[in-house]
Amino acid sequence: AQRVTQPEKLLSVFKGAPVELKCNYSYSGSPELFWYVQYSRQRLQLLLRHISRESIKGFTADLNKGETSFHLKKPFAQEEDSAMYYCALKETSGSRLTFGEGTQLTVNP
Amino acid sequence: KAGVTQTPRYLIKTRGQQVTLSCSPISGHRSVSWYQQTPGQGLQFLFEYFSETQRNKGNFPGRFSGRQFSNSRSEMNVSTLELGDSALYLCASSFGTIDIQYFGAGTRLSVL
Repeated sequence: AQRVTQPEKLLSVFKGAPVELKCNYSYSGSPELFWYVQYSRQRLQLLLRHISRESIKGFTADLNKGETSFHLKKPFAQEEDSAMYYCALKETSGSRLTFGEGTQLTVNP
Repeated sequence: KAGVTQTPRYLIKTRGQQVTLSCSPISGHRSVSWYQQTPGQGLQFLFEYFSETQRNKGNFPGRFSGRQFSNSRSEMNVSTLELGDSALYLCASSFGTIDIQYFGAGTRLSVL
């Protein structure tokens, strides 16, 4: 069965510091990986999709199949990045998403 | 384009009652998925519908059921409510089953 692990429930950094949110997964097939973000009082929204290989709001994430990881990185954190971040895995067929437990990121001024 | 709309936003029920939650997907989207979000279990997949057919079901008891209508709107029903069913229920829609999912704001259910 597929599983997504985000080892840090809470992560606090200062503005301008680099930030890395960790995500590890287990899945026997070829998964599709996502990062979703939930800002305070807003709905869950897609941040990144691994197949698009783009940078959104300065965030990037690389799928490492050898380490089964999909860590989210940003070189210079901003206060507006404070939010809950979820890593999610989608199976090859269907829409089902398996989410990690989430990491609450706080960027301090 | 309007986003995914879930109604009602809040519900309070008592144990043993049943409840129906509604989800209107983004116009043109045919796939609807439901998730339960709780502080203890996080986000868990309930079921997925595409063209009125349930395509996938999560590990939830039979008290949880759903359906999708010809206009792609979906409902989920929980019968014989238990205290542990208190959660935020999220609906997500996508054009097809391989496309990006867009989430609604959710329905917060409290079971007393």
